[in-house]
Amino acid sequence: AQTVTQSQPEMSVQEAETVTLSCTYDTSESDYYLFWYKQPPSRQMILVIRQEAYKQQNATENRFSVNFQKAAKSFSLKISDSQLGDAAMYFCAYRSAYTGNQFYFGTGTSLTVIP
Amino acid sequence: GAGVSQSPRYKVAKRGQDVALRCDPISGHVSLFWYQQALGQGPEFLTYFQNEAQLDKSGLPSDRFFAERPEGSVSTLKIQRTQQEDSAVYLCASSLATGWTDTQYFGPGTRLTVL
Repeated sequence: AQTVTQSQPEMSVQEAETVTLSCTYDTSESDYYLFWYKQPPSRQMILVIRQEAYKQQNATENRFSVNFQKAAKSFSLKISDSQLGDAAMYFCAYRSAYTGNQFYFGTGTSLTVIP
Repeated sequence: GAGVSQSPRYKVAKRGQDVALRCDPISGHVSLFWYQQALGQGPEFLTYFQNEAQLDKSGLPSDRFFAERPEGSVSTLKIQRTQQEDSAVYLCASSLATGWTDTQYFGPGTRLTVL
């Protein structure tokens, strides 16, 4: 089974600054999707950004971007111009292209935004 | 509503009781997923439905866990003879189609506490 590791249980960032959340994963597959989800205190998970493994170009969604290093099996999330509303748990997730039913989630990083 | 809804939001059960957790996916969504999220952990896959067919139940932790989606819309996760280790948040997610590129939309979850 695939494993997803988030080594930073907690992170903090000053409002308007940039923060990077780390994620590594272990797989023998060549085709897969990677995701970052945000889970605010209300608990509803929201998709932040996703990356197809076959694409070399890093995905970007407004203030959110990823640094996808396929050889290193690394998938970090960069949040620019951090806002108070960015405070949440962030989960990195992996989905196989071959057995796509299952998502494998990391243990999450709790992000605090300091005013 | 426009999103995935789950009920109840909170459930307290005595050890040994049976519980039923309901998920109302977004209307028209073909795929439905159940996850278990223990405190401080990321969600873990339980089971997957495509319409009314349960195509993957490999994540169900024991035969006390049972899920159904008889008409291909609303789904129920049933836990028989609850144990303390069943205490967790149970998340439901749905996606429009079956492709592994499809975005999953999560519900707010049901927090189950077994005393």
